[in-house]
Amino acid sequence: GEDVEQSLFLSVREGDSSVINCTYTDSSSTYLYWYKQEPGAGLQLLTYIFSNMDMKQDQRLTVLLNKKDKHLSLRIADTQTGDSAIYFCAESWNSGYALNFGKGTSLLVTP
Amino acid sequence: KAGVTQTPRYLIKTRGQQVTLSCSPISGHRSVSWYQQTPGQGLQFLFEYFSETQRNKGNFPGRFSGRQFSNSRSEMNVSTLELGDSALYLCASSASSGRAWEQYFGPGTRLTVT
Repeated sequence: GEDVEQSLFLSVREGDSSVINCTYTDSSSTYLYWYKQEPGAGLQLLTYIFSNMDMKQDQRLTVLLNKKDKHLSLRIADTQTGDSAIYFCAESWNSGYALNFGKGTSLLVTP
Repeated sequence: KAGVTQTPRYLIKTRGQQVTLSCSPISGHRSVSWYQQTPGQGLQFLFEYFSETQRNKGNFPGRFSGRQFSNSRSEMNVSTLELGDSALYLCASSASSGRAWEQYFGPGTRLTVT
């Protein structure tokens, strides 16, 4: 499919908020996801949002969706060093069971 | 519940050989998807199986194939391996009803082709 776009790198200080942005491609995507990948590991499902929602909050995570601009963001409040990882944005396509991923944003949290 | 398991975790093969990777989904999940992750191309969808039938397919050559068994376990096979097939192969499972949109990934199989 077409490219889901993410910035490649983000560095924040411990305790600050992190905001990772994503532009997706398919306006008919039903679900939009955020996954986390730590070195040498698989993907961990962090959260997702239905396309008919504008915002979803889940503990320290806030997802914002702007359907008009096809823009998705993930805000991590009170970022910790353990949050350092690669974060992938993904959109569902073709009946929802196939995911189209961005290239990932590498988040570095410094003390 | 146990998570998605993949075997083997690491594999080294030679060009021209074939390889079979295995994925056991979360108990009760009937959909299994496979993805290839490389530094250059990122994560790319290979195929998805549900109730032993391939339901979706990505844009990969016919050397990549898969199947699903009646217990929902899935295998993928790559024939005539090329150097470019070196990648992390991830499988994901999801439920057939309820929260069917939640896909859970295994730890992956790291394939190195020499």
